[in-house]
Amino acid sequence: RKEVEQDPGPFNVPEGATVAFNCTYSNSASQSFFWYRQDCRKEPKLLMSVYSSGNEDGRFTAQLNRASQYISLLIRDSKLSDSATYLCAFRSSSNTGKLIFGQGTTLQVKP
Amino acid sequence: ETGVTQSPTHLIKTRGQQVTLRCSSQSGHNTVSWYQQALGQGPQFIFQYYREEENGRGNFPPRFSGLQFPNYSSELNVNALELDDSALYLCASSLGGTGMKTQYFGPGTRLLVL
Repeated sequence: RKEVEQDPGPFNVPEGATVAFNCTYSNSASQSFFWYRQDCRKEPKLLMSVYSSGNEDGRFTAQLNRASQYISLLIRDSKLSDSATYLCAFRSSSNTGKLIFGQGTTLQVKP
Repeated sequence: ETGVTQSPTHLIKTRGQQVTLRCSSQSGHNTVSWYQQALGQGPQFIFQYYREEENGRGNFPPRFSGLQFPNYSSELNVNALELDDSALYLCASSLGGTGMKTQYFGPGTRLLVL
């Protein structure tokens, strides 16, 4: 089983839609979880960390389900500018700070 | 902008050659991690440097090596280049030590091996 699995998509949604992505991980010792956004031919940029209690930042909501070993990202009221690849990442309990990334989910928001 | 810079932005090499990529970390950050991102994939961890010492390595062969300098900038060296080394190479800086902090990525170096 892969360490991290994401549906690569693409997810094609109209403006204003709500869309959700999931990311499953296999290492139960994983401690920190993140969502990164990557625009075409650019570097990944941290979108948000994922906390155990769930967290929200404007139109974006991230949740962690440790029992089922997945994290999710919900985007409400999608904008054209949300079109990008969304990468989930986690960090294990090691001290290296190594991030393990999923392959990314591509979102296309259409007018 | 993250304040992390990388050079060069693009590079073309031929199989068997050697390449050196450079990264300047964000001011105050003492940890640099290197990642390889192949087309259509997520970044893969190569190794990390903390206070000039290697602090963890991913599943990459020894021909991938690195350095960190006293100013915390870093180099990634790849010897005997192979076609599969064609990728985007990203460095990320962070404030290390206990409780690893958020990693901020530089713009990357696109390497094409012919």
